[in-house]
Amino acid sequence: DIVMTQSPDSLAVSLGERATINCKSSQSIFHSSNNKNYLAWYQQKPGQPPKLLIYWASTRESGVPDRFSGSGSGADFTLTISSLQAEDVAVYYCQQYYSTPSLTFGGGTKVEI
Amino acid sequence: EVQLVQSGAEVKQPGESLKISCRVSGYIFTDYYIGWVRQMPGKGLEWMGSIYPGDSDTRYSPSFQGQVTISVDKSIGTAYLHWSSLKASDTAVYYCARSPGAHYGDWFGPWGQGTLVTVSS
Repeated sequence: DIVMTQSPDSLAVSLGERATINCKSSQSIFHSSNNKNYLAWYQQKPGQPPKLLIYWASTRESGVPDRFSGSGSGADFTLTISSLQAEDVAVYYCQQYYSTPSLTFGGGTKVEI
Repeated sequence: EVQLVQSGAEVKQPGESLKISCRVSGYIFTDYYIGWVRQMPGKGLEWMGSIYPGDSDTRYSPSFQGQVTISVDKSIGTAYLHWSSLKASDTAVYYCARSPGAHYGDWFGPWGQGTLVTVSS
């Protein structure tokens, strides 16, 4: 299985400041056949199900605010919240979908104010 | 609007069987894979398996193969997750979630609200 490692485990960011979450895969999840990185990001607020934010490493899901952006390639990826809002307090997960049969998630990063 | 609505919380004893459900609406049920994801108390997300309602093609995570059964009832647009003999370690919230198309190895969205399963003697 591909292991997804997120860092940090948690971070505290002031309102309006930038939050950066890292996700590293144990092997490359870039597919040269379509030039795509097989990585998604999710947001999970307390007591709620996860919500899809980004797929293909950098494509924002419809309706997701543009302060959320994804970047990276190969085995190193970043989710950036450009200007943290109070409603962004949540746990964020990355997920690889390159390697089947197992789809794997990172351990999560808790974002607090 | 695409919606996935899961069955309510369950409290069971070890050794009992259980089937939880995920009823979908707002899209053609048979055109998209549905996955199940476990979240143990205070922990992260684990993919358990996915099913394509169109032909019931089912893929399981090796970690969950033989431990659970995923099925669908196309006539009522519902996916199921079934245990034949629960263990205390099955205590968790279980989510269903739709994949973006007819390929199981993709991302998930939208998600059901989750079903809390508590197994305790």
